[in-house]
Order: sequence, then structure tokens, then C-alpha cells
Amino acid sequence: DVKVTQSSRYLVKRTGEKVFLECVQDMDHENMFWYRQDPGLGLRLIYFSYDVKMKEKGDIPEGYSVSREKKERFSLILESASTNQTSMYLCASGALRGATPLHFGNGTRLTVT
Amino acid sequence: AQSVAQPEDQVNVAEGNPLTVKCTYSVSGNPYLFWYVQYPNRGLQFLLKYITGDNLVKGSYGFEAEFNKSQTSFHLKKPSALVSDSALYFCAVRDGGGFKTIFGAGTRLFVKA
Repeated sequence: DVKVTQSSRYLVKRTGEKVFLECVQDMDHENMFWYRQDPGLGLRLIYFSYDVKMKEKGDIPEGYSVSREKKERFSLILESASTNQTSMYLCASGALRGATPLHFGNGTRLTVT
Repeated sequence: AQSVAQPEDQVNVAEGNPLTVKCTYSVSGNPYLFWYVQYPNRGLQFLLKYITGDNLVKGSYGFEAEFNKSQTSFHLKKPSALVSDSALYFCAVRDGGGFKTIFGAGTRLFVKA
């Protein structure tokens, strides 16, 4: 069974902390994505990557950065966490081209206090 | 720019009745359209997609969706709802030549026994 694994299910961090959210996929997908999910806003794209060491800004990249050193791993970094970054974070992967659907991890619920 | 609208925050339907969850989209190129479902505390799961061809596409769990190019709509349907269909449903669109998948705000479906 194909899998996208997010390292933490729940995280609680303090304002100003540096936070790492990790995501690993085992499907050899080129594309990987980080979304945040907020009620009434749906999923909003933070960053995506279509190759190792490549990254592209999504719709809401401010306050975030990403790292993709290996094809299977895509990390989301909050350089200095703030309370408005409290949210559900979803990682997804997909093939480079075509209409293949995205595969999602189960999400990381981050609370910043 | 791509966008997706799901005009209903919530849809209520009685078990055994047909259901429709609405979606309209805007995309510059040829659209790839998707429906995903999210159960509590889980990531999104793929239901069905439209690429080209027949305007009625069938997917998992008895769901189907109707593509209407003139109305730029892609409504999700099911002839007979089950209580277990209660979940959060997301419509998504990708420009056929692009990497990014954009999601709607989501529609919560309640099926009452």
C-alpha cells in the first residue's frame, strides 16, 4: 500500500520556536506539497517541490520555508512559530505530469502557544 | 489564476436519498478535476477525477461526478446516500500543464439515518 507518512500527529510549540514538520513518501513521486487546512478556508498551498533541491512558493509561503534533500523527504520549517500558524498541516505527493491524484499523509495538528 | 468554489458549507441529506455536492472552477488551460474525501483525523482520500471524454465519471464508493464545461462545474453525486458517507468533501483543480492543485473550501456532508 502506498504511503505518505508525517512524522508527528500532534505538536505543541511555543511562540518563537523553530519547528520542523517532516514528510516521507514511498511512491518515488517527483512532486511533493505542503498544505495547511483551516476551517472555512479549505487547503491552502504553502510550498511545493517538483525535484530534489527544487522548491516553489505556493499561495501562502510567508513565515515558512522548505527543504528537499532527498526525493522521498520534504520538510516544512517554521523559522519562528507564531500563534497564527496554529493549524492542520497536510503533506501530499504526486507524479510529475498527468492527472494522477495526490496522496496525502494523515496530517500534523500544530498548536503554537 | 486557478480557483475552486464550493458554495455550500454543509449539505444535509437523509439516508437513501440522492445527494449532490456542488463545485465550480476557474482555470486557464484544460482542467484536471478531482474530488477528495476526508474522514475525521485523517488526510484526504481520492474519490474520482475528470480528465477528458465522457462528462459523467464514476469513482469510489458509488460516487460519480458530472462535468459541465459551459457552466465550469463539476458536481459530485450519489444516487443513494449512506450514513457512512458523512465526511468533508473537497473539490480540486489542476491546470493540465501545471504542477499545482488548488482546493475548494470543502463541504461537510451529513447523512441522517
